[in-house]
Amino acid sequence: GAVVSQHPSWVICKSGTSVKIECRSLDFQATTMFWYRQFPKQSLMLMATSNEGSKATYEQGVEKDKFLINHASLTLSTLTVTSAHPEDSSFYICSARDRGGIGSAFFGQGTRLTVV
Amino acid sequence: QQPVQSPQAVILREGEDAVINCSSSKALYSVHWYRQKHGEAPVFLMILLKGGEQKGHEKISASFNEKKQQSSLYLTASQLSYSGTYFCGTQSQYSGAGSYQLTFGKGTKLSVIP
Repeated sequence: GAVVSQHPSWVICKSGTSVKIECRSLDFQATTMFWYRQFPKQSLMLMATSNEGSKATYEQGVEKDKFLINHASLTLSTLTVTSAHPEDSSFYICSARDRGGIGSAFFGQGTRLTVV
Repeated sequence: QQPVQSPQAVILREGEDAVINCSSSKALYSVHWYRQKHGEAPVFLMILLKGGEQKGHEKISASFNEKKQQSSLYLTASQLSYSGTYFCGTQSQYSGAGSYQLTFGKGTKLSVIP
């Protein structure tokens, strides 16, 4: 299957600082990538849809100024958590679908963010 | 709309079978099944697109009913490695090139014990 790489796998940062998470599609081009957030023992909640060359589409209740998304190329999307607070601590996962967006969705490895 | 998964959790002994259901109130374009182990990202299992479709690999298979509102995942002769949380992800419609976000159910925690 298609490969999606996410980096870093985990990060610990101080409250008030910003953290950037990268999501790359390694063997296919992804015009669209998705960012999810998952709290312990809960489902994956879609945060935003990242569109190459245009603005991201955010789900209701997700602050776009806090979770900055940039999709500068067909293989890279980044999520920056700005002015992080302890309540932002979570597991963040990106995904992308191959075959022009109609195939299966593949996930990156996820990033465990801990804000102290 | 979030699909409804059942059961929420199940415990099996090695070799036993299990069925996990995923239901939607509206017809779906596709259903995707994933397994997630603790601390890891979900791993793709299979995708179903056609009403009445059944597919599988070895001892894990899935079906999509004719009305495309329900899918079931079948695990036969379970192994310890099957333990994890299973999620179904649904796409409500095909909207052309662009975004195809999936909406995930709450998950079914499967525990296989010796």
